[in-house]
Order: sequence, then C-alpha cells, then structure tokens
Amino acid sequence: GAGVSQSPSNKVTEKGKDVELRCDPISGHTALYWYRQSLGQGLEFLIYFQGNSAPDKSGLPSDRFSAERTGGSVSTLTIQRTQQEDSAVYLCASSLGAIRPQHFGDGTRLSIL
Amino acid sequence: DQQVKQNSPSLSVQEGRISILNCDYTNSMFDYFLWYKKYPAEGPTFLISISSIKDKNEDGRFTVFLNKSAKHLSLHIVPSQPGDSAVYFCAARNSGNTPLVFGKGTRLSVIA
Repeated sequence: GAGVSQSPSNKVTEKGKDVELRCDPISGHTALYWYRQSLGQGLEFLIYFQGNSAPDKSGLPSDRFSAERTGGSVSTLTIQRTQQEDSAVYLCASSLGAIRPQHFGDGTRLSIL
Repeated sequence: DQQVKQNSPSLSVQEGRISILNCDYTNSMFDYFLWYKKYPAEGPTFLISISSIKDKNEDGRFTVFLNKSAKHLSLHIVPSQPGDSAVYFCAARNSGNTPLVFGKGTRLSVIA
C-alpha cells in the first residue's frame, strides 16, 4: 500500500522476553519516527531517523530500547527484557523531510503479561 | 513537564454546531503546530497545521487559530459532522530537525 505499514498489529508476550517491531515507511520518505502511546496518554517520542544522519535517540526510555533503520527505509524497534510498563501502542511515522507533516502507521499494540 | 496541554479530555457537540478544541503550550521556541485526528485502532491522521508567522489557517470546515502571546491554539470545526467523532491531538515542534511534542488528546463526540 501507499501508507506507513507496521507489523505485527498486535503482540502479546511474557515479561522478560525480547520483541521486535517493524515499520515500513512511505517510499521516498527520508524521515522516520517512533512514538508510543500508553493508556490515557499522548504520543511519546522515542527515536527519530533523518537520512544518513545519526538518529536522535533522546526519547528512548531505557537502554533496553533500540532501533535501526536499514538502507534508509525499513526500521525495527527492539525492546529487550520487556517489562509490564512497556505495554503500549507503538506508532511509526514517516515524512518527506523534517519539516513536513508526519504520516503514521496504525501501530503495534504490545501487551506484556 | 508537559509542554503541550489539552486540558479537556472530552467534548460533545451536536451535529451542525461548531466544535472548538483547545491546546496550550509552554515552550516559546515552538514555531510550528499541527492537529492530528485519530480513530480507534488507526494511526493519527494529519489534519491541519499552522506556522508561528500566521495566526489563522483554514482548510474547508477546519480552521486553526494561533495566539502566540497566550501560547494558545484552537481548532474549529464547523459544521460538525458525526464522522468527525475521534480523538484530536495537538502537536508542536521547534524549527529544524526536532520531533513533534504531542498533547494527550481530546475525544470529540458529535451527536446526530
């Protein structure tokens, strides 16, 4: 499709397991963002990739969180040793450039048991 | 410290009337503001934006007003339609390569 694609749409896992969330941005979009939305909260910035520049990781809540963007396209967000407070909807967005509106995927709903 | 605040968690409006959603911010370095609309189980959809050099931007039924001195912006929807029922997020950013800062959202219900 033409939009931002995220997989899986839902993920349930046990506390302590590692998870990988995938994002396929819109083709040609150079900027890619990860956010998460916990219950009753707004969108919390996690990490931002812009072209070949070093990513802005200032929003990652702990060193258990990491993200990669391979070939300037697909991105993977990895959470190691998951905790219950990691339960949230993880949203990916992309844009043509840093100053253009961001287009969001439908998110991955992560539930840690 | 919440830099973008949407103090009304919910709002109900009758179909055909005006919906006014409010947003306040604390960071005077913000210079670009956006509104996103979100339906359940979907990602947010960009609705309308405004640069700090303007005080109004209109797109069809949607108008965003910016009051820089009050650090306040609002989204007006007129006339409101049942399909407008969704959660609306206000977002802001500094100039340059900075991520958006979002409010917690306001759930709008348009009653037929």
